[in-house]
Amino acid sequence: DTAVSQTPKYLVTQMGNDKSIKCEQNLGHDTMYWYKQDSKKFLKIMFSYNNKELIINETVPNRFSPKSPDKAHLNLHINSLELGDSAVYFCASSQGRSGQFFGPGTRLTVL
Amino acid sequence: GQQVMQIPQYQHVQEGEDFTTYCNSSTTLSNIQWYKQRPGGHPVFLIQLVKSGEVKKQKRLTFQFGEAKKNSSLHITATQTTDVGTYFCAASNSGYALNFGKGTSLLVTP
Repeated sequence: DTAVSQTPKYLVTQMGNDKSIKCEQNLGHDTMYWYKQDSKKFLKIMFSYNNKELIINETVPNRFSPKSPDKAHLNLHINSLELGDSAVYFCASSQGRSGQFFGPGTRLTVL
Repeated sequence: GQQVMQIPQYQHVQEGEDFTTYCNSSTTLSNIQWYKQRPGGHPVFLIQLVKSGEVKKQKRLTFQFGEAKKNSSLHITATQTTDVGTYFCAASNSGYALNFGKGTSLLVTP
C-alpha cells in the first residue's frame, strides 16, 4: 500500500501550458506539503495545509495554486508554465510536527 | 526561517570507512530532522531530535543534537554500498514546514 502517492510521475509540457499534479495520502495525517527540488537537489517548501487550511505559503509565483479538497488530498495547479518551473515536485504529509512522509515525486520538464 | 548549513557537500569513502555529515545553524533550533534520499528516489525520514545533547542510534547510524541546539551530526560507522545517497538535515519553520540543508551526497566504493 502506497502511503503518499502522486500523479503523474513524469510531466513533459510546453511553455505557457497549464498543468496539475495530484497527491493523496492514506496515513490519516493532518498536514500536507508541496516541495520543489531543483537540479542541484535543493529542497524548498512551497505550501503547507493543515486540516485543509493553508498555513504556509512561501514566496512562490501566484501561477502556482494549491488546493486541498479534503485532508487526504493536496493538488498543485500551475498556470503559464515557464522553463524555470522544471524540477521535481514532492508532496509530503505528517501528523503535526512529526517526521514527514514524501511521495515518489513528479518530474516536470518544461520545453 | 531557521536556516541550516550542511557540510560537506560531497563525501566519497571506501566501503567499511566511517562517514559524518554536519548541520549548523546560527540560531537555536526547536528540533532537527534527518532524511535520506537515494539516487532517483524521494526523501525518507530517518529521525527527529528534540532535546539538547540528545544522542540516538539506529544500527550503524548515530545522530547527535548539540548542547546549544545549534548543530547536529549524523555518523555512519563502517559504511556499506546501501548507504549511498544524499543525507539532509532539516529544521522546522513555524512548526510545520521544514527548511532543508543542501544535503551531503555520500558515495561508497566497494
